[in-house]
Amino acid sequence: EAQVTQNPRYLITVTGKKLTVTCSQNMNHEYMSWYRQDPGLGLRQIYYSMNVEVTDKGDVPEGYKVSRKEKRNFPLILESPSPNQTSLYFCASSYQDTDTQYFGPGTRLTVL
Amino acid sequence: SQQGEEDPQALSIQEGENATMNCSYKTSINNLQWYRQNSGRGLVHLILIRSNEREKHSGRLRVTLDTSKKSSSLLITASRAADTASYFCAAPGDTPLVFGKGTRLSVIA
Repeated sequence: EAQVTQNPRYLITVTGKKLTVTCSQNMNHEYMSWYRQDPGLGLRQIYYSMNVEVTDKGDVPEGYKVSRKEKRNFPLILESPSPNQTSLYFCASSYQDTDTQYFGPGTRLTVL
Repeated sequence: SQQGEEDPQALSIQEGENATMNCSYKTSINNLQWYRQNSGRGLVHLILIRSNEREKHSGRLRVTLDTSKKSSSLLITASRAADTASYFCAAPGDTPLVFGKGTRLSVIA
């Protein structure tokens, strides 16, 4: 089944404790991206990747890191999480950046 | 790099009525996409209309695109309670694909 998976789905952590949210797609998509969604602010893009080893900042990249060592995986890294990073996170992928996006189920992160 | 602003922010209708929501964008586009999001879940693609198309249908959905006005509309006919969700547009082109804040549709049975 074609899908985008994210793990974990739910995470409660404390300020400063490094964490990684994984994202994997099985559709051989070149384009992958991360969004965060907050009430009243809609979906905001954090980082995107046009292909392996190619990443770029979105609208709200501060406090996040990404890597794209393999085509299928695009992990989101929070080196030192803070409470303002409490949010709902979505990973998405597509063949090209202008194509239909396939979204993962979301990761709800709470930073205490 | 905001590309895709939905209007209205919220819409409440009775079951069976039609729902219309609009999307405006700023620069030239390759296509325009509409998505639906049920509460707390990932976005699901509904329909894509290319920049050289003016209208497209998919079941009870009708999308129009006016590139001269840089706007699009999504019409849901004969709405059902299950259509209750948030609807987003995205207009990739000169700028990376980004989403607006969405239109929250409530269909009351």
